[in-house]
Amino acid sequence: QVQLVQSGAEVKKPGASVKIFCKASGYTFTSYIIHWVRQAPGQRLEWMGWIDAANDNTKSSQSFQGRVTITRDTSASTAYMELSSLTSEDTAVYYCARKIRGPTQPLDCWGQGTLVTVSS
Amino acid sequence: QSALTQPPSASGSPGQSVTISCTGTSSDVGYYNSVSWYQQNPGKAPKLMIYEVSKRPSGVSDRFSGSKSGNTASLTVSGLQAEDEADYYCSSYAGSNTWVFGGGTKLTVL
Repeated sequence: QVQLVQSGAEVKKPGASVKIFCKASGYTFTSYIIHWVRQAPGQRLEWMGWIDAANDNTKSSQSFQGRVTITRDTSASTAYMELSSLTSEDTAVYYCARKIRGPTQPLDCWGQGTLVTVSS
Repeated sequence: QSALTQPPSASGSPGQSVTISCTGTSSDVGYYNSVSWYQQNPGKAPKLMIYEVSKRPSGVSDRFSGSKSGNTASLTVSGLQAEDEADYYCSSYAGSNTWVFGGGTKLTVL
């Protein structure tokens, strides 16, 4: 079955970086785009960016001012999201989700989420 | 881009219908037929309920329906059941390969 499995919870200090992985299975990795979405405690979903698994094209939300780097390893069917210069406001659950190409297509399968806690 | 606007809460009794709105702009909701709706239970990942404004994925109950008028999309849940109690988020393509989510609506079944 289609599955996205994410890495485990992380605790980071302010100013550090975190890198989360999202391993895909049950489908052809390069046929989809991987999006990253985060959710701070009790808050809304926030779109972060995407990577096209086929060609490495990426786009990130301007809200993160260049702090987000999204990469992928096709041989491992895995996407990665790295967030740098962490502050307490980056404490959130981070989700990956897959999407077929096209602006109207939805995020049809989500990872289980990765909790990132930023604390001194 | 600014978040889409949803009411913070909605409620209804079992068997009733409830509609949740999602208001954007002429640059996102109003321009593209790309509105999706996601159901999120506490501590769980979101689940796709509606896509392309009104389409239901396989396995989603036909009690869930979507529509759009102008810059506002709507999710209607008919025949409310206790299991429908959850948070609901809308999302839309916002142009330039970016997407935006709504603020979320907590649906309570009374």
